[in-house]
Amino acid sequence: SYELTQPPSVSVSPGQTARITCSGDALPKQYAYWYQQKPGQAPVLVIYKDSERPSGIPERFSGSSSGTTVTLTISGVQAEDEADYYCQSADSSGTNVVFGGGTKLTVL
Amino acid sequence: QITLKESGPTLVKPTQTLTLTCTFSGFSLSTSGVGVGWIRQPPGKALEWLALIYWDDDKRYSPSLKSRLTITKDTSKNQVVLTMTNMDPVDTATYYCAHRQGDGYNLGYFDYWGQGTLVTVSS
Repeated sequence: SYELTQPPSVSVSPGQTARITCSGDALPKQYAYWYQQKPGQAPVLVIYKDSERPSGIPERFSGSSSGTTVTLTISGVQAEDEADYYCQSADSSGTNVVFGGGTKLTVL
Repeated sequence: QITLKESGPTLVKPTQTLTLTCTFSGFSLSTSGVGVGWIRQPPGKALEWLALIYWDDDKRYSPSLKSRLTITKDTSKNQVVLTMTNMDPVDTATYYCAHRQGDGYNLGYFDYWGQGTLVTVSS
């Protein structure tokens, strides 16, 4: 079955830039989406269609795509950005939703 | 304003069938392009997509769980129901329903989520 691969953890100091990657063979053909999830809360969409930001999401969140890897970038990380981040996409046939394994962002 | 809320049992026994209801407001499942999905998350683990139903009653299921899942909608009640048969302790998870956003039959993404409901499978 198709998989999206994320690093288990990323750590950055406040004010620095955090980059979280997501790799998958179908990503050149399928859009990627990113969700932020804080403990005990439902996921929140932070990026859609690789690089679009929903209204209400701070400008420090951005997304990019290159080949089989998509990247969520958080510029000027703040303590409130500490959370788990999940990428989501579809398999090459476009018939199955797939989530990555999640990345825990720690703000040192 | 779009809201969704999951309801159902918090505890089920192994081999039983789980029935969860998603009650939503702020949109209609009879509107072209609209969809509602179910996603679960075992404690401390990643999100897992389960099923998706479209405005026209087309349905998609996770291949690994397809034989156990059924998703239906009641447009008049603004509800989507998910049933999962033959429950096992490994199915213990928080179950979320979410509003799907996308073009046509593209799977799309989930822009509004319910709060989730924890279902424990234990005898």
